[in-house]
Amino acid sequence: AQSVTQPDIHITVSEGASLELRCNYSYGATPYLFWYVQSPGQGLQLLLKYFSGDTLVQGIKGFEAEFKRSQSSFNLRKPSVHWSDAAEYFCAVGARAAGNKLTFGGGTRVLVKP
Amino acid sequence: EAGVTQFPSHSVIEKGQTVTLRCDPISGHDNLYWYRRVMGKEIKFLLHFVKESKQDESGMPNNRFLAERTGGTYSTLKVQPAELEDSGVYFCASSQFIGTGNTIYFGEGSWLTVV
Repeated sequence: AQSVTQPDIHITVSEGASLELRCNYSYGATPYLFWYVQSPGQGLQLLLKYFSGDTLVQGIKGFEAEFKRSQSSFNLRKPSVHWSDAAEYFCAVGARAAGNKLTFGGGTRVLVKP
Repeated sequence: EAGVTQFPSHSVIEKGQTVTLRCDPISGHDNLYWYRRVMGKEIKFLLHFVKESKQDESGMPNNRFLAERTGGTYSTLKVQPAELEDSGVYFCASSQFIGTGNTIYFGEGSWLTVV
């Protein structure tokens, strides 16, 4: 069975500082990995995805994530946070064998201080 | 191109009433998914349609929930009768195919409050 853990429920970061959100997954084969963001009152927006190939993935809004198979991790990073990045971030794992059904982590809520 | 659209965006109903949520996937997307996030919990998979057929309904919580996708286009999710614990946000998503490179697009969600 697939599972995803986001160890940090809340993170507070100053505007302009770097951000890293952790994600660990459990899956027997090579998974498909995703990061989604949900801004207040909004739906889920895809930030980036990993299927295969280059383990460093670039996404929208200046985000990137690195797939590390040895650590079963897919951490999300942004070098310099903007106030508009305040939102809830979800890591998800999917697999073709499961019909691309996604299993989500519990989410990390990011607060941005001025 | 229109994205995944959901209706209503917000709904407040009393316990015991019925609510029907609608999802219009992106045109041409055979795969349609329903997910939900109840208060304080994770986003959970409910079911997956391929065209009009239910491919996987392992996440449906109980028989108060009924999903349909007549004609393989839009889908409805009916909750009857609604209970307090059904409050949360219901997401619909769609994708063109299954497999490598595929992107799953989510709608903005239907926020359901049962009082």
